[in-house]
Amino acid sequence: QVQLVESGEGVVQPGRSLRLSCAASGFTFSSYAMHWVRQAPGKGLEWVAVISYDGSNKYHADSVKGRFTISRDNSKNTLYLQMNSLRVEDTTVYYCARERSPGITFGGVPFDYWGQGTLVTVSS
Amino acid sequence: DIQMTQSPSSLSASVGDRVTITCRASQSITTYLNWYQQKPGKAPNLLIYAASSLQSGVPSRFSGSGSGTDFTLTISTLQPEDFATYYCQQTYSTPPYTFGQGTKLEIK
Repeated sequence: QVQLVESGEGVVQPGRSLRLSCAASGFTFSSYAMHWVRQAPGKGLEWVAVISYDGSNKYHADSVKGRFTISRDNSKNTLYLQMNSLRVEDTTVYYCARERSPGITFGGVPFDYWGQGTLVTVSS
Repeated sequence: DIQMTQSPSSLSASVGDRVTITCRASQSITTYLNWYQQKPGKAPNLLIYAASSLQSGVPSRFSGSGSGTDFTLTISTLQPEDFATYYCQQTYSTPPYTFGQGTKLEIK
């Protein structure tokens, strides 16, 4: 069955870096666009970034542009989020999510599978 | 960016009630509208996609409608397991794929 397992949870100081990983299994990872979505404690969902199935196209939310970078390694079935210059307001749970339809660059389809989430705490 | 506005922000209802949640987009998104359910400490779960298509495995008491800028999620007969927070999301055209602020459905 489809599984997405995030890792990289941790506590970091403002200004430091952290890399999240999302290990995928149970489907042909290289055929699906993937997203990161985050949720601050007690708050709503915020879309963060997307990468096309082949890694050739990426978009990042304005709130993280220039600081975060989404990437993937299809040979390892793994999605990444490199987070630099972390801020206190980046303290949230980060989810990776799969688009519902394969073979699409991204867009137009919902997110049908989500990881369990990993908590990033930015604090001095 | 497209803004998504849900109403109400919270709602109290009883088991057996019919409940409707609305979502409005700041511009036309045709039918690129999805609904998710989220329970505390869990990841969101896809309920409805393309405004009115039921995701596999989701009970038929959930339904969605709308197009353009105005959408609704309806739960026909509330069950105890339906008390959760519901989010709409647009996946129209290019990112960002914004979510509504959420509607918390509580037991009356």
